[in-house]
Amino acid sequence: QVQLVESGGGVVQPGRSLRLSCAASGFTFSTYGMHWVRQAPGKGLEWVAVIWYDEINKYYADSVKGRFTISRDNSKNTLYLQMNSLRAEDTAVYYCARLGELSLWGQGTLVTVSS
Amino acid sequence: SYELTQPPSVSVSPGQTARITCSGDALPKQYAYWYQQKPGQAPVLVIYKDSERPSGIPERFSGSSSGTTVTLTISGVQAEDEADYYCQSADSSGTFYVFGTGTKVTVL
Repeated sequence: QVQLVESGGGVVQPGRSLRLSCAASGFTFSTYGMHWVRQAPGKGLEWVAVIWYDEINKYYADSVKGRFTISRDNSKNTLYLQMNSLRAEDTAVYYCARLGELSLWGQGTLVTVSS
Repeated sequence: SYELTQPPSVSVSPGQTARITCSGDALPKQYAYWYQQKPGQAPVLVIYKDSERPSGIPERFSGSSSGTTVTLTISGVQAEDEADYYCQSADSSGTFYVFGTGTKVTVL
């Protein structure tokens, strides 16, 4: 079954860290660029970061650059998002996604940044 | 940073045609993709590469491109088409991705 399953969300205090994971199955994970996309409550979709298939090339939205790190382990078919120095405005549902013609999204995991 | 602009809302009666525009400076150079999102659900791709329709998407969904504007057209709108719609593309370098501001389609 072709799917993406996120985990690791929860409630975290401002300034703390959290790591999200996304387990891929049913397709050749190592051949696709992968993205994190977030959606704040009642708001639109916001692209967060992309990592190419080679695990080397990574690009970030200005809103998270320097605080978030995207990574992947192709041997484990898993995508990660390390989130540091979290802020209230990072509160959102975080989706991992394969964008483009062969679009595939996970169900999302909620991150709430609150004291 | 690069932005894609959509109208906040479009209202249409059942059976009529809804058109949603998305404007961005790099659209002549980068493909656009359209997603449908219903409450509590992940987005679903309805158009890719400006005008191609994925398998399983009804023929009433179509896309077009002209200069710095792309358009999603829903012909013969049905109640089930009520949702939020987002365009998605990339900047001129193809490095940074972006979603449009989103359009809520209401079926009257």
